Amino acid sequence: KNQVEQSPQSLIILEGKNCTLQCNYTVSPFSNLRWYKQDTGRGPVSLTIMTFSENTKSNGRYTATLDADTKQSSLHITASQLSDSASYICVVSPFGNKLVFGAGTILRVKS
Amino acid sequence: SQTIHQWPATLVQPVGSPLSLECTVEGTSNPNLYWYRQAAGRGLQLLFYSVGIGQISSEVPQNLSASRPQDRQFILSSKKLLLSDSGFYLCAWSASGTGARELFFGEGSRLTVL
Repeated sequence: KNQVEQSPQSLIILEGKNCTLQCNYTVSPFSNLRWYKQDTGRGPVSLTIMTFSENTKSNGRYTATLDADTKQSSLHITASQLSDSASYICVVSPFGNKLVFGAGTILRVKS
Repeated sequence: SQTIHQWPATLVQPVGSPLSLECTVEGTSNPNLYWYRQAAGRGLQLLFYSVGIGQISSEVPQNLSASRPQDRQFILSSKKLLLSDSGFYLCAWSASGTGARELFFGEGSRLTVL
């Protein structure tokens, strides 16, 4: 069964600190992996998309890594800001149109 | 540039009443369109997707239906709402074709069924 598991479920960090969110998946065959940021009550916004041949991709202070062998991905946030408070969703795509969504990690950045 | 509009943003409906959520996309042609539902603490669940006018695929049996009367319009409906239909509904679009197509979401519609 295709599944995406994210950890931790929630996380609180101080402003300016770094953090890393984890994503493990069992989706096969694998096409691509995406990270989305979802502010409370809003639609998700794409941060990165990585295919199986890509190991890392950055978007500003966000850096995603992918290990297709171990089926793991991480999202690293550098020098966190209050505006980073959101839910971060890992999404894995097998070939085709149907995406498999993780439940998300809720990040709260406090001053 | 492309934009996606979804409305209403929030609505409270009694059990047994009808539902219509509307989504429109601007700035692109022949998009793939999607309706998702998001429950608290769970991943997004795909309800319907469409690759063209009048072409609707349903992912899960449920009390809802979808229609695509125009190329860039996608409507989610119900004839009689159930309590279990409460949730956060998201419309999304992607460019047609296969491959790593980016998925763009609307702002969502919060439905509360009482």
